[in-house]
Amino acid sequence: NAGVTQTPKFRVLKTGQSMTLLCAQDMNHEYMYWYRQDPGMGLRLIHYSVGEGTTAKGEVPDGYNVSRLKKQNFLLGLESAAPSQTSVYFCASSYVDDGLAAASSYEQYFGPGTRLTVT
Amino acid sequence: AQSVTQLDSQVPVFEEAPVELRCNYSSSVSVYLFWYVQYPNQGLQLLLKYLSGSTLVKGINGFEAEFNKSQTSFHLRKPSVHISDTAEYFCAHKVGYSTLTFGKGTMLLVSP
Repeated sequence: NAGVTQTPKFRVLKTGQSMTLLCAQDMNHEYMYWYRQDPGMGLRLIHYSVGEGTTAKGEVPDGYNVSRLKKQNFLLGLESAAPSQTSVYFCASSYVDDGLAAASSYEQYFGPGTRLTVT
Repeated sequence: AQSVTQLDSQVPVFEEAPVELRCNYSSSVSVYLFWYVQYPNQGLQLLLKYLSGSTLVKGINGFEAEFNKSQTSFHLRKPSVHISDTAEYFCAHKVGYSTLTFGKGTMLLVSP
């Protein structure tokens, strides 16, 4: 099992350019998440998905869009990159939150991250 | 709004010394708490979690944490740290529909 993988690992963009970050998981998880990590800010949730074809906004969704066309993939898009979007982006996935602790550990499994610089 | 407060941004310790990393969460009806570790240039890895039951939770690499409902705390401890424990540690609280709120992180710096 590869777990959670992210593509690319590094990227440099100019202001106004667009790009898509790809997250893939092979654990058959229902839920997937995109976070950004900035120094002194911890991890902040951008968007998440509780199943194929569904997405929802997190804490800091502005400037980002997401899509979950396939269960194993979760894409994060930046339509017009800004320097404020310079960050490390992490994808995560987890089992269904069915309220049964025995069946769901609520643990999120993280990818290795994508370091994005916008100049 | 739900929140998680990690009281120290950085904790320097000497090798083989004990360490405690502090975490407080805002009170809620259901409490599910986690500690994650992030080694340099890597993703986050689960250290331990509290879902219910015993308030003392043991995790990987010799870490443990104690859930204290009255003080709304979930402090992480290790009796003797190693150089390899140098990393950033994040406390997290499950809120809402399977989303986590993370603290801002505590950098543990272990020196010889």
